[in-house]
Amino acid sequence: SQTIHQWPATLVQPVGSPLSLECTVEGTSNPNLYWYRQAAGRGLQLLFYSVGIGQISSEVPQNLSASRPQDRQFILSSKKLLLSDSGFYLCAGGQIPGELFFGEGSRLTVL
Amino acid sequence: KNEVEQSPQNLTAQEGEFITINCSYSVGISALHWLQQHPGGGIVSLFMLSSGKKKHGRLIATINIQEKHSSLHITASHPRDSAVYICAATFQGAQKLVFGQGTRLTINP
Repeated sequence: SQTIHQWPATLVQPVGSPLSLECTVEGTSNPNLYWYRQAAGRGLQLLFYSVGIGQISSEVPQNLSASRPQDRQFILSSKKLLLSDSGFYLCAGGQIPGELFFGEGSRLTVL
Repeated sequence: KNEVEQSPQNLTAQEGEFITINCSYSVGISALHWLQQHPGGGIVSLFMLSSGKKKHGRLIATINIQEKHSSLHITASHPRDSAVYICAATFQGAQKLVFGQGTRLTINP
């Protein structure tokens, strides 16, 4: 079955520092991959999704970027973090309209 | 616009009660998902359905395509069922999942 690995699980970063969150997938080929963010007390907001290597769709203009250098790797980055980037980041993958699988999430606190 | 609405936002019940969480969506979907998010944040997929009804243990999910509505039921609820339950939809022709705001369920012993 498909498994999503995501790291780091917890991150505390100062304002202005860079960010890199990584997500890898096992058990499937050519999955759709997604980055979601959940602010405290809020629902999940789609940030980026990718249907293939090098293909990135951005849903919300922001301080973040995403890349998919390999079929099963999806990276979320920022050059300079803002306080508002704090939140819970979740990687998901799967075949639409099939079942989606989720990573364990990364909790980012920007101070 | 592709939207998913859940109700209630918060639900507190006593152990043993029958629980219903509702989800409605705006336009045609290819699949409807029910997910469970635990306090640590991790998400588990409970059901994916496009018609009818599915059952897994004490959990039952139903969907009415004509009414654009789905429900998640929990029978004989238990404190370990306490979590956030999220409805999400894949809309026809789209490659992404749209999430509802979630329902925070608390089951008291």
